[in-house]
Amino acid sequence: QKEVEQNSGPLSVPEGAIASLNCTYSDRGSQSFFWYRQYSGKSPELIMSIYSNGDKEDGRFTAQLNKASQYVSLLIRDSQPSDSATYLCAVNWEAGNNRKLIWGLGTSLAVNP
Amino acid sequence: DVKVTQSSRYLVKRTGEKVFLECVQDMDHENMFWYRQDPGLGLRLIYFSYDVKMKEKGDIPEGYSVSREKKERFSLILESASTNQTSMYLCASTSIRGDRDYETQYFGPGTRLLVL
Repeated sequence: QKEVEQNSGPLSVPEGAIASLNCTYSDRGSQSFFWYRQYSGKSPELIMSIYSNGDKEDGRFTAQLNKASQYVSLLIRDSQPSDSATYLCAVNWEAGNNRKLIWGLGTSLAVNP
Repeated sequence: DVKVTQSSRYLVKRTGEKVFLECVQDMDHENMFWYRQDPGLGLRLIYFSYDVKMKEKGDIPEGYSVSREKKERFSLILESASTNQTSMYLCASTSIRGDRDYETQYFGPGTRLLVL
């Protein structure tokens, strides 16, 4: 059974702080990793994708991947109240033409003004 | 921009009714997915399709069926709705072509279904 695990939270940080979200996965064959943000009552939207070990930065967001340790993390710098949402980690799985994502349950983030 | 649309945002049905949820994407994506999302259970895959007329069961297919007669359209059918199918239903699509972002899934706005 392929699994993706996240701390459910809630993670609470003050405005302007760094929020750190973590995710571990079980399938060593996974090659693609995604962070999605989901506001309450809305559908998930992609924030970052990462495929290689190391860091990938996009504005205030940095994704970090360590395949040897099978974890991926998301750092949010200068956190804003508008970052308050549930963050979903997803990892690819494929067999032939079948491609799907295995999803974590999400970490709830609250940024306090 | 990729656009995925779903036929209804909110739907109220009676137990035993047949329910159709439709999803349309405009980016010529090969793969389409139906999920349901419930508090504490996360996103659970019901069915997916990687080509027209092709379908694969996901993790929780019981009580559901799907139809993909055209590439852009993927329908989820609840043959006889039950109260435990009350949920948020999300459709997503992705392409198998192009660069490494091909597994990125683009979601529709969701349909919140209430079965009474």
